Amino acid sequence: GAGVSQSPRYKVAKRGQDVALRCDPISGHVSLFWYQQALGQGPEFLTYFQNEAQLDKSGLPSDRFFAERPEGSVSTLKIQRTQQEDSAVYLCATDTGRGLNTEAFFGQGTRLTVV
Amino acid sequence: DAKTTQPPSMDCAEGRAANLPCNHSTISGNEYVYWYRQIHSQGPQYIIHGLKNNETNEMASLIITEDRKSSTLILPHATLRDTAVYYCIVRPYKGDYKLSFGAGTTVTVRA
Repeated sequence: GAGVSQSPRYKVAKRGQDVALRCDPISGHVSLFWYQQALGQGPEFLTYFQNEAQLDKSGLPSDRFFAERPEGSVSTLKIQRTQQEDSAVYLCATDTGRGLNTEAFFGQGTRLTVV
Repeated sequence: DAKTTQPPSMDCAEGRAANLPCNHSTISGNEYVYWYRQIHSQGPQYIIHGLKNNETNEMASLIITEDRKSSTLILPHATLRDTAVYYCIVRPYKGDYKLSFGAGTTVTVRA
């Protein structure tokens, strides 16, 4: 497709369950970001990849959160032993990586509900 | 440590211009001003960005004051589809590529 694709769109997990969220970037986009958006708030940065290298993971809230992009394309955000406070929309964004004069393209997000 | 200040909400009449203010009094010389919007249940969408000159594209105009401490996003002819949360973001020219969203302005366009 032409845009950033995220799957699943919705995920309900029982507390303690592990989940994996997928992001398919726009073809050729070098930079990939994950954001977390709690209800009624703006997105919060989680982590950043340039190709397969994870250059910034300062926003990951705990060691239960792990992200990977092994071949520099598709990325997966994994959350282990989910907690209720993990309930949020998880957004993926990509850009060409050709400097700051670029726009980021966002997917529609995955809404995670932990029950 | 929010770098921008926006009003929490504003209403606009359909067909009229919507002027969205943003204060960024601590902006550095190497920081751009970006605007994104987020329509309900969608991911954020890029609108426009600028450094110091006014900018215009097919979606909006961006007016930046001469001292760069504030800016205004102008939607020239608001439609019901422009109802969204609008985020004003400052982003450095080098080094920090992430977008730091605040709470934004919830804009409601009314018929």
